[in-house]
Amino acid sequence: GQNIDQPTEMTATEGAIVQINCTYQTSGFNGLFWYQQHAGEAPTFLSYNVLDGLEEKGRFSSFLSRSKGYSYLLLKELQMKDSASYLCAVRVFSGTYKYIFGTGTRLKVLA
Amino acid sequence: GAGVSQSPRYKVTKRGQDVALRCDPISGHVSLYWYRQALGQGPEFLTYFNYEAQQDKSGLPNDRFSAERPEGSISTLTIQRTEQRDSAMYRCASSLLAPGTGHSPLHFGNGTRLTVT
Repeated sequence: GQNIDQPTEMTATEGAIVQINCTYQTSGFNGLFWYQQHAGEAPTFLSYNVLDGLEEKGRFSSFLSRSKGYSYLLLKELQMKDSASYLCAVRVFSGTYKYIFGTGTRLKVLA
Repeated sequence: GAGVSQSPRYKVTKRGQDVALRCDPISGHVSLYWYRQALGQGPEFLTYFNYEAQQDKSGLPNDRFSAERPEGSISTLTIQRTEQRDSAMYRCASSLLAPGTGHSPLHFGNGTRLTVT
């Protein structure tokens, strides 16, 4: 089967750095995506990795290791507005393409 | 331009009634996806289209659920003979490219909150 694991909840302080991990067991891996979802809103795209390594985009970076089935999202200089759920999603191909989402990590940023 | 638009935003219906949920994707987007999202959970795949062709409907829970995208733009998700367990947020997403042709991300709509009483 296809499985994605993320911590349910994390707490961090404004200005700090936080790393949100995602491990996956899937077949037909075709890319990993991170989305941010504020309460009551739609998920919005943050980052994409298909090759091993680090992708940096401003305060957000995402890392992928395909051999380990592991990714993380790194958020630097945390701001209160970063309080949200962060969804890890894996795109797989098995005849057709699907995006499979984890349950999300709810991040609380404290002043 | 405008994002993905879904209507209605909220739908309350009685058990046994049929409902139709509409999705208007971003103009020019090739792929369109339907997801269901329970509170505190990630989106759960239902079905997706490239243009007007339904590529995968393996996530539809049972044959009461169906979807169409007849002209390759607007899509409708229909649930017949609704049951209380169908209550959820139904989200539509579109992407510019067909999956596998690039990293074109999904753009989600604000969803339709369906409540079956």
